[in-house]
Amino acid sequence: SYELAQPPSVSVSPGQTASIPCSGESLTKQYVYWYQQKAGQAPVVVIYKDSERPSGIPERFSGSSSGTTVTLTISGVQAEDEADYYCQSADYSGTFWVFGGGTRLTVL
Amino acid sequence: QVHVVESGGGVVQPGKSLRLSCAASGFIFSKYDMHWVRQTPGKGLEWVGVIGFDGENKYYGDSMKGRVTISRDNSKNTVYLQMDSLRADDTAVYYCARDDYGSGTHSPWGQGTLVTVSS
Repeated sequence: SYELAQPPSVSVSPGQTASIPCSGESLTKQYVYWYQQKAGQAPVVVIYKDSERPSGIPERFSGSSSGTTVTLTISGVQAEDEADYYCQSADYSGTFWVFGGGTRLTVL
Repeated sequence: QVHVVESGGGVVQPGKSLRLSCAASGFIFSKYDMHWVRQTPGKGLEWVGVIGFDGENKYYGDSMKGRVTISRDNSKNTVYLQMDSLRADDTAVYYCARDDYGSGTHSPWGQGTLVTVSS
């Protein structure tokens, strides 16, 4: 079955920049949503439509797209950003949702 | 404000059935496709299926295909997930979510409802 590819883990020190890539063939056609999920909580949208940031999400969260890869970037990482991050998109037809396996961001 | 609340989870024996509900508010429910997503303990997110805005079209992911049916009642702003022949590996938190691809927006997920399949 079709899945999006994410690294299982990323580690950065506070104040540094974290980049989490997500790749998949359908990403040239379908938008990506990024979710942050902290332990015991529901996923929260931090980026939608590849690079749009919902109100209430800090400006240090940004998204970009290039070909079949989209990237979530967190600039000036803070301890509170430690969480699992999932990318989500759709198949070419836009019918099926597909998720990345998730990336655990560790703030050292 | 968009709000979805899942309910109906609990402990169920293997082979039994369970129906989950998702009550929506804060938007015109009948205009949106609705999805179900699940998360098994310690694992990632997995798409379960989707129902079209008018209930006509339904599509399911491979993991539960043939054992689940999604339905909706637009008069009650509610979407349902009927799960049959449950197995231990169906133990998960089940979330419903609005499809925002057509509108190009975003919306929050509910807190989910935990289903535990165990004898």
